[in-house]
Amino acid sequence: AQSVSQHNHHVILSEAASLELGCNYSYGGTVNLFWYVQYPGQHLQLLLKYFSGDPLVKGIKGFEAEFIKSKFSFNLRKPSVQWSDTAEYFCAVTGGGNKLTFGTGTQLKVEL
Amino acid sequence: ETGVTQSPTHLIKTRGQQVTLRCSSQSGHNTVSWYQQALGQGPQFIFQYYREEENGRGNFPPRFSGLQFPNYSSELNVNALELDDSALYLCASSTSYPGTDTQYFGPGTRLTVL
Repeated sequence: AQSVSQHNHHVILSEAASLELGCNYSYGGTVNLFWYVQYPGQHLQLLLKYFSGDPLVKGIKGFEAEFIKSKFSFNLRKPSVQWSDTAEYFCAVTGGGNKLTFGTGTQLKVEL
Repeated sequence: ETGVTQSPTHLIKTRGQQVTLRCSSQSGHNTVSWYQQALGQGPQFIFQYYREEENGRGNFPPRFSGLQFPNYSSELNVNALELDDSALYLCASSTSYPGTDTQYFGPGTRLTVL
């Protein structure tokens, strides 16, 4: 069975700080990887996704993530966070099937 | 906004009752998935419907059932509600089968079971 682990449950950063959120998955086959974001009071939105090709993927709002197959990781990065990035971030994976398996999420708070 | 809509927004039920939640897919999407998101947790896959048939199911008991209609809208039914069923229920739609495409989520239905 596939699983996703997000190491940081709560992260607090100051504006302009750099962000890296960890995500590791467990699955033996080919995977598709996603980062979703849930802003306060809003629904889950897709930030970025990896299906194949260049392992460095760029998403919306300046976010990017790197797929490292040997480490089973798909970490999310942003060079300089803004107050508006305050949200909950979920890493998710599909592999050999049709269901998304999510991590437990990381609550990011960006302080002015 | 994704174009996926869910109703109702909030719902309060008592233990043992039955509930029906509804979802309208984004235009052009023929696949609907349902997820349960308990407080402080990531969404958990309940099941998926494609062309009106169940196409994959997570670790949820049979009292969780669903339907998909010819217009691709969907219902989630939960019988004999338990306190632990209190959660945000999310519907997601996508275009293709199997899960190689992106799922787009609705705003969810917040179910409280007393």
